[in-house]
Amino acid sequence: NAGVTQTPKFQVLKTGQSMTLQCAQDMNHEYMSWYRQDPGMGLRLIHYSVGAGITDQGEVPNGYNVSRSTTEDFPLRLLSAAPSQTSVYFCASSIRSGPRSPEAFFGQGTRLTVV
Amino acid sequence: GNSVTQMEGPVTLSEEAFLTINCTYTATGYPSLFWYVQYPGEGLQLLLKATKADDKGSNKGFEATYRKETTSFHLEKGSVQVSDSAVYFCASYTGNQFYFGTGTSLTVIP
Repeated sequence: NAGVTQTPKFQVLKTGQSMTLQCAQDMNHEYMSWYRQDPGMGLRLIHYSVGAGITDQGEVPNGYNVSRSTTEDFPLRLLSAAPSQTSVYFCASSIRSGPRSPEAFFGQGTRLTVV
Repeated sequence: GNSVTQMEGPVTLSEEAFLTINCTYTATGYPSLFWYVQYPGEGLQLLLKATKADDKGSNKGFEATYRKETTSFHLEKGSVQVSDSAVYFCASYTGNQFYFGTGTSLTVIP
């Protein structure tokens, strides 16, 4: 079972470069989301999607774009990388079976360093 | 608003010691509550959950009870093992969003 797959696992960017973090899930989950994890700050929501063609902003969306053209894929784009975007990024997905008890499945994470 | 506050770490315990990690939440609605565990170099994995008041989630010897009156979901384990060393995150879910605490790092020494 693949679950949630993120690529790449590690990436170093120069300031100003752009790149796309990939996320794919094979569980037919409607809900997908991106988080960044920084020391002492837990996980903060960047963007999320409740289904194909629908995206919305989370707590820290600036500097990131997303799209959801298929149920399976939810790429995160960094438009012009900045050192403040150095972080570990996690993609997650869950079934929207109701408001009370979705279990989120997480990818392995992408460790991004911007120099 | 919605938020989760959990006990600051790091926590270091000897094997077989009792573990408590405190977690409290604020919510505009009636959230579901979760504990996730993150082992080094890995993503988060669901440890246990509870969806309504007085529910007790349990897994691998860990337990947490949904206390609406104190807005708490404290994680407990009676006897920790070295293999429990990890970072533990408390989380709530409401309004299509998860809200995570800052994480508590646990190290268990033999």
